[in-house]
Amino acid sequence: DIQMTQSPSSLSAAVGDRVTITCRASQGINNYLAWYQQKPGKAPKLLIYAASTLQSGVPSRFSGSGSGTDFTLTISSLQPEDVATYYCQKYNSAPFTFGPGTKVDIK
Amino acid sequence: EVQLVESGGGLVQPGGSLRLSCAASGFTFSSYSMTWVRQAPGKGLEWISYISTSTTTIYYAASVKGRFTISRDNAKNSLYLHMNSLRDEDTAIYYCVRALSADEDYWGQGTLVTVSS
Repeated sequence: DIQMTQSPSSLSAAVGDRVTITCRASQGINNYLAWYQQKPGKAPKLLIYAASTLQSGVPSRFSGSGSGTDFTLTISSLQPEDVATYYCQKYNSAPFTFGPGTKVDIK
Repeated sequence: EVQLVESGGGLVQPGGSLRLSCAASGFTFSSYSMTWVRQAPGKGLEWISYISTSTTTIYYAASVKGRFTISRDNAKNSLYLHMNSLRDEDTAIYYCVRALSADEDYWGQGTLVTVSS
């Protein structure tokens, strides 16, 4: 099975900073990659699918890129409401594995 | 309004069984694939099972294969997860998800399953 890794596992950044999270698949998955945001006590929320397509209603400061095995989620200007854990997830074929998550907080 | 409401969680002893339900409303349930995702306390998300619209395609994670069975009743707008031979490590919040990873992705609020003696 394809394994998903994320880096870093956690980060702390100032409001307004540009934040980048990396997700890597152990084999190529084309662009079948989604990004989720999960706030404490809440269900996850889809941010991006097809590696770079912004889900409706998601602020434009979020963007995704990549294809094959390497992907990134970028928050162009970190806001206090972005404090959350972010997960990547592959969906090219089963199992539809999630990455281990990246916890983002404010410095 | 789209709603997914999970139920059936609770405390069960190791080796026991439980059936989770997910009641769907506000959309044409039969038109969407459905998925169960779980999250152990303080841990990450784990995809566990998928079922296609007409049940012709079903997938399981290795961690639950042979113990869990996903099913759906399109006439009742409901998704199910039958869980047998439960283990401590099955303790988690179980989420019902519509169209995972697609633009019509929608999650329920989850139901907590606790496996403990």
